[in-house]
Amino acid sequence: DAKTTQPNSMESNEEEPVHLPCNHSTISGTDYIHWYRQLPSQGPEYVIHGLTSNVNNRMASLAIAEDRKSSTLILHRATLRDAAVYYCITLRGGSGNTGKLIFGQGTTLQVKP
Amino acid sequence: EAQVTQNPRYLITVTGKKLTVTCSQNMNHEYMSWYRQDPGLGLRQIYYSMNVEVTDKGDVPEGYKVSRKEKRNFPLILESPSPNQTSLYFCASSLFRGNGETQYFGPGTRLLVL
Repeated sequence: DAKTTQPNSMESNEEEPVHLPCNHSTISGTDYIHWYRQLPSQGPEYVIHGLTSNVNNRMASLAIAEDRKSSTLILHRATLRDAAVYYCITLRGGSGNTGKLIFGQGTTLQVKP
Repeated sequence: EAQVTQNPRYLITVTGKKLTVTCSQNMNHEYMSWYRQDPGLGLRQIYYSMNVEVTDKGDVPEGYKVSRKEKRNFPLILESPSPNQTSLYFCASSLFRGNGETQYFGPGTRLLVL
């Protein structure tokens, strides 16, 4: 699985968009890009995932660079409830895949009222 | 409601006293796994199971056992707990183990071993 690099922390104002970056320069062609978040005192929660094309769901959007070496999680209007640690994770496909998610340090997002 | 449940949520025990943390999912998922979360070390996988009666070690399996007799349940067993197993434990499940699958996590079990 490709190593990912994220900023340790970011701040946002409530109701403004937030762009959380992630670098995964060693990603291979079949690796999916996943984003999870962990709110205080809770288990990790799935946010979004993608392979090559940009993806949208009710929680967020995922913008994947054309060379796939980086991606950006976009929260369109941050709320106080979005304050959490956000993890960018790549998962390799094929027979060697054990389903294990490798959580790095993630980005701690602070949302100010 | 689709969910992963864990019991107990909090547990204080003493060294050497066997304990079991239960994990159950109601989504008919084939893949289940256990993680522990420690400050500065993040989440690390302990064991995983790709289906009934199929289990394998993750990154930190020492001191733990698991079983998968039914699809919905994946208990974590500490035969002789030690203080270094004090941690926050999460169970997770997904439909399959594929790299495009969404994983669902339980609420966590906070364990203190004295």
